[in-house]
Amino acid sequence: EVQLLGSGGGLVQPGGSLRVSCETSGFTFSSYAMSWVRQAPGKGLEWVSAISGSGGSTYYADSVKGRFTISRDNSKNTLYLQMNSLRAEDTAVYYCAKDRLGLWPPYYFDYWGQGTLVTVSS
Amino acid sequence: DIQMTQSPSSVSAFVGDRVTITCRASQGVDNWLAWYQQKPGKAPKLLIYAASRLQGGVPSRFSGSRSGTDFTLAISSLQPEDFATYYCQQANILPWTFGQGTRVEIK
Repeated sequence: EVQLLGSGGGLVQPGGSLRVSCETSGFTFSSYAMSWVRQAPGKGLEWVSAISGSGGSTYYADSVKGRFTISRDNSKNTLYLQMNSLRAEDTAVYYCAKDRLGLWPPYYFDYWGQGTLVTVSS
Repeated sequence: DIQMTQSPSSVSAFVGDRVTITCRASQGVDNWLAWYQQKPGKAPKLLIYAASRLQGGVPSRFSGSRSGTDFTLAISSLQPEDFATYYCQQANILPWTFGQGTRVEIK
């Protein structure tokens, strides 16, 4: 059974940093691109970042480029998102999501983590 | 970025009704479109990909279609567990973008 378990969210001050993680199981992690998708409270979905199965290719939305870094540890089946210079508008539930087919870029997301809430506030 | 516009923003329907939701892309995305269902406090769930292909395990009452840059999600006979918010997502031109969502409510 495919499982994605997000963690690491919390309250952080504007300008601060936070790293969220997504521990996975039930599939060959290194064969699949992974993404982070966020959802601000009461709002819609925004694709934030993606990384290829090998980790050699990455993508960032303009809204987070230069501030966020996506990475993965294939030996631990874990995905990460390092978030620096956080702003109030980064407040959201952050979901990790698995690509459906193992392609790059990841086109569709067939499994999602439960989400981890990041709140940026003073 | 490609803008995805869903309509209506919300719809009220009875159990057993047929419901359709439309998603319009600001430019062509071919068949690179998915539909997701999200229930309150839960992660989205993939229903349809490549505009009309049903994801494994999704009931056949869900279907997707395309006409040019307009895409439709249809639920043939609404069930109690279908009350949720539905999002479209284009996967043709980076960055992938989502529609604003359509909430399906009980009438």
